[in-house]
Amino acid sequence: RKEVEQDPGPFNVPEGATVAFNCTYSNSASQSFFWYRQDCRKEPKLLMSVYSSGNEDGRFTAQLNRASQYISLLIRDSKLSDSATYLCVVNARRGSTLGRLYFGRGTQLTVWP
Amino acid sequence: GAGVSQTPSNKVTEKGKYVELRCDPISGHTALYWYRQSLGQGPEFLIYFQGTGAADDSGLPNDRFFAVRPEGSVSTLKIQRTERGDSAVYLCASSFGLPDTDTQYFGPGTRLTVL
Repeated sequence: RKEVEQDPGPFNVPEGATVAFNCTYSNSASQSFFWYRQDCRKEPKLLMSVYSSGNEDGRFTAQLNRASQYISLLIRDSKLSDSATYLCVVNARRGSTLGRLYFGRGTQLTVWP
Repeated sequence: GAGVSQTPSNKVTEKGKYVELRCDPISGHTALYWYRQSLGQGPEFLIYFQGTGAADDSGLPNDRFFAVRPEGSVSTLKIQRTERGDSAVYLCASSFGLPDTDTQYFGPGTRLTVL
C-alpha cells in the first residue's frame, strides 16, 4: 500500500468554482503534512502546511483529520492560475529513518474561463 | 536569494552509460535530498544528507545509484550502467537542518532520458 493515496483527477472546473481535493496516508506516526503545487515540467513548491486545527491562506483552506488519516485542500473562487497538479505530502518517521517526504501522485486541476 | 540549482537541466544518454547529476543547495542549508519523479507520479525519495554524510540512503533502488556530498554543500548523484527504466526527472531539495520540520525547497530537476 502506498504511503499517500490521492485521486489523480483530472478536475476541470470553471473560474470561480470551489474545488476540494482529498488524500489519505497510511502511517499513523506521520508528523507533518503539506500540500505542494507543481506546474507542468516545473519543480514542486510548497503551497501550505496542514495543521490539525485547520488553516487558511487566502482562498485556500487545508484540513487534517488524524483519526481518519485524511487530509483535504479546498480552493475557493478558482482562478485560471490555479491550474496545476496538487501534491499531498506527508513527513513521517519510520524506525530510525528521519522525516523524509512521502508524496501522493498528485491531483491535476484545470480551471477554464 | 538563489534557490536550489541543478545541472544539467536535461541529459540524454545511452543504455549502459554512466551519468552524474549535480545539485547546488541553498546557501546555509545543511540538509539535502534527492528524489526521483516518473511521469504521472509524485516524487519518490532516494537519499538524504545531513552535512557530508548520508543519513538515509534507503530509497536508492539498487547499487548502480550512489550519491556524495564531500564538502557538505554541492551533491552529485551518480548512476552507473544506466537502464531505460532510470529515465525520470531527478529532483534535489534542501532544507535548513531538521528534516522533521523544515520546509524542503526543490530545484528545477534534471530530466534524464536513457535511450
